[in-house]
Amino acid sequence: AQKVTQAQTEISVVEKEDVTLDCVYETRDTTYYLFWYKQPPSGELVFLIRRNSFDEQNEISGRYSWNFQKSTSSFNFTITASQVVDSAVYFCALSGISSNTGKLIFGQGTTLQVKP
Amino acid sequence: ETGVTQTPRHLVMGMTNKKSLKCEQHLGHNAMYWYKQSAKKPLELMFVYNFKEQTENNSVPSRFSPECPNSSHLFLHLHTLQPEDSALYLCASSQVGSANTEAFFGQGTRLTVV
Repeated sequence: AQKVTQAQTEISVVEKEDVTLDCVYETRDTTYYLFWYKQPPSGELVFLIRRNSFDEQNEISGRYSWNFQKSTSSFNFTITASQVVDSAVYFCALSGISSNTGKLIFGQGTTLQVKP
Repeated sequence: ETGVTQTPRHLVMGMTNKKSLKCEQHLGHNAMYWYKQSAKKPLELMFVYNFKEQTENNSVPSRFSPECPNSSHLFLHLHTLQPEDSALYLCASSQVGSANTEAFFGQGTRLTVV
């Protein structure tokens, strides 16, 4: 079975604070893909990052960074110097190669509120 | 035309109505999906189509009927829905093969069943 857990339901920070969103996953596939999506109030899911299971290099993109650790089955997302525009629901998702359909298993989502 | 387009954006329907949701992708992808997002629930996969063929039905009630006439278009036909079916319905597409690409999502249809 595949499962994604985002234990943090809601996080509230003040602008310019750093914030880390946690994601833990379960899968029996040896090849799989992990994703983060952002859902602003408009509703559309915006793709942020895709990581395959063989690439454990951490990635930084501007104020965003991701820490992938296979040993703990975690794929955490950090926003540095948060801004009000970062307020949204963030989803972590998993796609295993065994299904061969590309379907995504989503976590419950973390609502991030950044206050001015 | 960009990405994945869904129409209508908002829909209010009675329990005896029949309506359809439309999704179109302009990305050349070979897979399309319907997801349901209810309040306080995670995104749930409903249907998967690969190369126009339905490859997954996630135990969805028969009052939801998908149709994929070609690899660029996906419909969700709705009939005799219940109030608990009110939700945001999201369509997505991706390229599936030796490596699965990220899925691109439409803006969703906010459905209210009265």
